[in-house]
Amino acid sequence: DTEVTQTPKHLVMGMTNKKSLKCEQHMGHRAMYWYKQKAKKPPELMFVYSYEKLSINESVPSRFSPECPNSSLLNLHLHALQPEDSALYLCASSQVVTYTDTQYFGPGTRLTVL
Amino acid sequence: AQKITQTQPGMFVQEKEAVTLDCTYDTSDPSYGLFWYKQPSSGEMIFLIYQGSYDQQNATEGRYSLNFQKARKSANLVISASQLGDSAMYFCAMREGLSNTGKLIFGQGTTLQVKP
Repeated sequence: DTEVTQTPKHLVMGMTNKKSLKCEQHMGHRAMYWYKQKAKKPPELMFVYSYEKLSINESVPSRFSPECPNSSLLNLHLHALQPEDSALYLCASSQVVTYTDTQYFGPGTRLTVL
Repeated sequence: AQKITQTQPGMFVQEKEAVTLDCTYDTSDPSYGLFWYKQPSSGEMIFLIYQGSYDQQNATEGRYSLNFQKARKSANLVISASQLGDSAMYFCAMREGLSNTGKLIFGQGTTLQVKP
């Protein structure tokens, strides 16, 4: 089973709202990732968690706040977003962060910021 | 400099024919992994195939095969017997061993359309 789940599938929020994206995997993976993808572009890495610790923050604005409560769960808390933050947000997981490990992606959350 | 280059923004193929999607990469790291993903319009990134830099044989997974030419730094995806459901965007990606960050470096993608 290589399933990564993400909720919600779609999210519309105003610039003053606070919302959260959720990602879950039950493959025993110890690395989890958040990506942002604009239409017709490749995904851009935002954050990497390795063994529940934040190991990479790709200079993401503080209005995006990741959280890894346990090895199966990854959240992305959103606050005071801008319209340009509208995108597809993809979560992924892999066994660990070595170069041979495959990242498995969830179906994504389509975020619209009004 | 681009680390992953996909030179075909869009391609067409007739159903049941084979198609090759090009990917070249640039790295000085001797240890790296190359991945291909498929992304239908629904948005999910679907893993297709993996090739490690030390693998002697080309990877195959069902109708997908990877034509790995290490000296040329190319890792082309071959899809045999195309199906209508193969219409999607395809991304080539690389992870480098020395950085050990887990970061996937993506190419710009190729949109494949399969014609009936």
